[in-house]
Amino acid sequence: SQQGEEDPQALSIQEGENATMNCSYKTSINNLQWYRQNSGRGLVHLILIRSNEREKHSGRLRVTLDTSKKSSSLLITASRAADTASYFCATDKGAQGGSEKLVFGKGTKLTVNP
Amino acid sequence: ETGVTQTPRHLVMGMTNKKSLKCEQHLGHNAMYWYKQSAKKPLELMFVYNFKEQTENNSVPSRFSPECPNSSHLFLHLHTLQPEDSALYLCASSHPRSQKQYFGPGTRLTVL
Repeated sequence: SQQGEEDPQALSIQEGENATMNCSYKTSINNLQWYRQNSGRGLVHLILIRSNEREKHSGRLRVTLDTSKKSSSLLITASRAADTASYFCATDKGAQGGSEKLVFGKGTKLTVNP
Repeated sequence: ETGVTQTPRHLVMGMTNKKSLKCEQHLGHNAMYWYKQSAKKPLELMFVYNFKEQTENNSVPSRFSPECPNSSHLFLHLHTLQPEDSALYLCASSHPRSQKQYFGPGTRLTVL
């Protein structure tokens, strides 16, 4: 299985602190994505990093990818209470006939306390 | 809002009932997906439709029956469900050859 595994399972921090979540996977990938899910809602795409990229930024988000270690990290800087959500990594092996089969991890539940 | 809608948002049904979940997107996407999200388990891919054709059935029990009449609509017909089928059912869509998926808000299903 190429399932991603997030670490830690839960993370509680104070507003203004940085939050780091990690993801490990088992097989080679074309790209890795991070998604966010507010409680009981759908997932929202945050960022995609391709296998030939090592780091990517989007606003307060920073994602790194180490294909040699089969791991990725998501850093949220200067966290806000509104960042409270579950964060998932998803891996894929490339589109097959126009659709994408993603494999998700169990997620990291982030709580940002005001 | 991601542009993907799901109805109903909440559903309670008995094991002998027949119900349907609906998903709709007008994003011009040609791939649509059904996922099941249970507590403390990873998101499970159930079905994939690409240009209205089913391209993936992830060993889903036959009590779940998908239907994709066109690229904008996706249904999940439910019958004779079990209590362990209680979960959040998420629909997603994507553009051909795009790795990014857009998710609906989900239907919270409870089977009594």
